[in-house]
Amino acid sequence: DAGVIQSPRHEVTEMGQEVTLRCKPISGHNSLFWYRQTMMRGLELLIYFNNNVPIDDSGMPEDRFSAKMPNASFSTLKIQPSEPRDSAVYFCASSRSTSGIHNEQFFGPGTRLTVL
Amino acid sequence: QKEVEQNSGPLSVPEGAIASLNCTYSDRGSQSFFWYRQYSGKSPELIMSIYSNGDKEDGRFTAQLNKASQYVSLLIRDSQPSDSATYLCAVLSGNTPLVFGKGTRLSVIA
Repeated sequence: DAGVIQSPRHEVTEMGQEVTLRCKPISGHNSLFWYRQTMMRGLELLIYFNNNVPIDDSGMPEDRFSAKMPNASFSTLKIQPSEPRDSAVYFCASSRSTSGIHNEQFFGPGTRLTVL
Repeated sequence: QKEVEQNSGPLSVPEGAIASLNCTYSDRGSQSFFWYRQYSGKSPELIMSIYSNGDKEDGRFTAQLNKASQYVSLLIRDSQPSDSATYLCAVLSGNTPLVFGKGTRLSVIA
């Protein structure tokens, strides 16, 4: 079975540009999570969806960040405009939740974002 | 706020020794506990889960849970250089997503 798929794997852009990260969760999983990881702050949960509905976006750092999940097999995380401090590895993860109870998460390979 | 605490390390052990990784959590109602391994430049990979007090063994790995002390640990027997990685503890409470610790970096010296 395919795991979580993310694209692109690497992104280098200039400050002020729009960045879009993409994620395809594991088939059958109904929860999707976006994380950001840096050396200083570790793994931070940005937002998560359950059954395509955003449940908690309190981790989204600023209005420059937005996320969507138009269907069960696709999600995007957009940064507009990007800033150098957004440079990090962004992970997407998915899980199967039952009656709102989450289970273990499986991570995609990540997108390494560098904003110059 | 639910917290998961881990010693950041690095924890250095000689090859063949037992590596002991520890984790404490703040929410007494937590019900599920996971250990992820993350190699440098890679994504976290689930290696163990434990749900009830006691020990759970899987190959060279043993997870230990003590809910009264709010403590979970991971033992790696016969440590190998390939075990060198960052180990993340994650805790599940109620209907909220996993809460991750910041990880412990393990270095196994040949």
